[in-house]
Amino acid sequence: QKEVEQNSGPLSVPEGAIASLNCTYSDRGSQSFFWYRQYSGKSPELIMFIYSNGDKEDGRFTAQLNKASQYVSLLIRDSQPSDSATYLCAVVNAGNNRKLIWGLGTSLAVNP
Amino acid sequence: DVKVTQSSRYLVKRTGEKVFLECVQDMDHENMFWYRQDPGLGLRLIYFSYDVKMKEKGDIPEGYSVSREKKERFSLILESASTNQTSMYLCASTPSALGDYGYTFGSGTRLTVV
Repeated sequence: QKEVEQNSGPLSVPEGAIASLNCTYSDRGSQSFFWYRQYSGKSPELIMFIYSNGDKEDGRFTAQLNKASQYVSLLIRDSQPSDSATYLCAVVNAGNNRKLIWGLGTSLAVNP
Repeated sequence: DVKVTQSSRYLVKRTGEKVFLECVQDMDHENMFWYRQDPGLGLRLIYFSYDVKMKEKGDIPEGYSVSREKKERFSLILESASTNQTSMYLCASTPSALGDYGYTFGSGTRLTVV
């Protein structure tokens, strides 16, 4: 069973701090990695994707990928209360480039 | 921007009813998906379709069927609704290969079966 695992949280950080969200995956052949944000009662929205080892930055968000260790992380700098949401990690496995394998998500609470 | 539209935001149906959930996307995407999402269980794939009139079972197809007669429309059918099908239903679409796009989701339908 190909799996994607995330700490369910809740992860609680003060406003202005760095929030660090982690995700591990079991399929070593995984190719692409996505982070989605989901507010309560809403549908997921894509915030970051990464394919290559290393860091990818987009505004306050940084995705980090380490294929050797099979983990991908999301850093949120200068966290804001509006960042409070559930963050879903999703992975494309080798052999099927149209289906995402989803983690259960990490709940983040940013406290003013 | 790609738009994925689900026909109903909230729906209440009675046990045993046949229920239709509609999803339409406007960007000529080949792939469409139906998920349900429940607390603690995450996103679970019900069915997906790679092309018109083509469908494949996901992880939890029991009690559901789908129809894709046109490229832009993917319908989920609950043949005989049961209370354990009370859930948030999410439709998603993507081009032929995920590439940079990931999935684009509709706004979801919260279905309650009483």
